[in-house]
Amino acid sequence: DTGVSQDPRHKITKRGQNVTFRCDPISEHNRLYWYRQTLGQGPEFLTYFQNEAQLEKSRLLSDRFSAERPKGSFSTLEIQRTEQGDSAMYLCASSLAGSVGTGELFFGEGSRLTVL
Amino acid sequence: GENVEQHPSTLSVQEGDSAVIKCTYSDSASNYFPWYKQELGKRPQLIIDIRSNVGEKKDQRIAVTLNKTAKHFSLHITETQPEDSAVYFCAANNFNKFYFGSGTKLNVKP
Repeated sequence: DTGVSQDPRHKITKRGQNVTFRCDPISEHNRLYWYRQTLGQGPEFLTYFQNEAQLEKSRLLSDRFSAERPKGSFSTLEIQRTEQGDSAMYLCASSLAGSVGTGELFFGEGSRLTVL
Repeated sequence: GENVEQHPSTLSVQEGDSAVIKCTYSDSASNYFPWYKQELGKRPQLIIDIRSNVGEKKDQRIAVTLNKTAKHFSLHITETQPEDSAVYFCAANNFNKFYFGSGTKLNVKP
């Protein structure tokens, strides 16, 4: 296990189609985060999980976005009825949270979405 | 939620000079402040971090300072090298969520 992996790395889709991204975190990490990054901006928080529980979802996140982490391991992020404004890099990150608090966040390479 | 502001958005320095990037945050409950470096087309990677019970931390040419009263923290890079050229992001951890600044593009001229 060499780090956080994401699939696919690039996705081009037409407006109105559904897309799904997968993230495999570092195996012992209990927290998993999804972020969105557009050109020239910092990562924007979307949602996060502790084990299999989705603890928080950004208020800015449309109902078209849904995420799961069914067994507390890998996670999926689905975007339904994509819009051109959804075009961005979707970053997954994981961390090990313990008694000393939040641990370092390790990012994946990202999944770049282009909506035509 | 937390609001993190970062400046400058771009910074150009001569090799060997120092670079300073500043961030402010809005929520005094934030307690962990990492800095990430992102090279073009690559993932953000942690370069240094500081927790709220510490005022300063140093790691070779990189240092971070935190002023909890003023709610601001800064990244200091000394003796800059061309390989320091990248985009740097500050972040604040607030109730387990990380909020990022908008980034500073650092260009180190040889």
